[in-house]
Amino acid sequence: DGGITQSPKYLFRKEGQNVTLSCEQNLNHDAMYWYRQDPGQGLRLIYYSQIVNDFQKGDIAEGYSVSREKKESFPLTVTSAQKNPTAFYLCASSIEGTRQETQYFGPGTRLLVL
Amino acid sequence: QQPVQSPQAVILREGEDAVINCSSSKALYSVHWYRQKHGEAPVFLMILLKGGEQKGHEKISASFNEKKQQSSLYLTASQLSYSGTYFCGTETPPGRRALTFGSGTRLQVQP
Repeated sequence: DGGITQSPKYLFRKEGQNVTLSCEQNLNHDAMYWYRQDPGQGLRLIYYSQIVNDFQKGDIAEGYSVSREKKESFPLTVTSAQKNPTAFYLCASSIEGTRQETQYFGPGTRLLVL
Repeated sequence: QQPVQSPQAVILREGEDAVINCSSSKALYSVHWYRQKHGEAPVFLMILLKGGEQKGHEKISASFNEKKQQSSLYLTASQLSYSGTYFCGTETPPGRRALTFGSGTRLQVQP
C-alpha cells in the first residue's frame, strides 16, 4: 500500500538534546513538507522540499533542520535551539508540477520535552 | 498570511446543516479543505482551484469566490462522523506550493 509513514509515534526530548523525526513516502511524490501543530491551533509550515537535494524554509524554521538526500525521505531534526518543541509534527507530500493535486499527511509524531 | 476561518466552533444536531468560511487577504490560487479527528492527521476533503467549479462529495460541498478571496464549506444533513476540526489551506504566493492553514473550525455533531 502506498502512503506516508512517520516514526516514532511519540518522542521524548531532554534539555539540550537534538532529536530526529523520520518521514518516508512511497507515493513517488516529488514534494515533501513538515508542519507543526500546537494544541487547538492550525498547522504551521517548518520546511518544504520540491526536489531532492533542495529545500526551503517555511514560516517557523528557526531551531529546526532538514535534509533531502532521497526522494522518499525527508527527516526533520529538532535542535536544542528550539526552546519550545512540544507539539504534534506532521509530514506531508504531494505531486509537484501541477496545482490540481493536494498534500497528503502522515500519521504524525508527538514530541514531548522531559 | 494565515487565512481566517469562521466560526471558530459550532455544535449541531444530527441532520442539521453548517457552513464554514475561509477568507484570505491575498489573492488565492487554490483552497484545500481537510478534516482532522482528535490526535490524528488531517484527511483531505476537496480542492478548489482558481477558475474552477464548485466541488461536491456526498453531502459535503464547497465553493470558491475568487473576487472575495474566500471559500465556504457546506455540510448538509450532518452525521456524527462529521465531528472534528475543519481546516482550510490556501495557496497564494507564486512558486510556493506549500499551504498556509487557518486556525480551524471545531464541529461537534450531537445525536
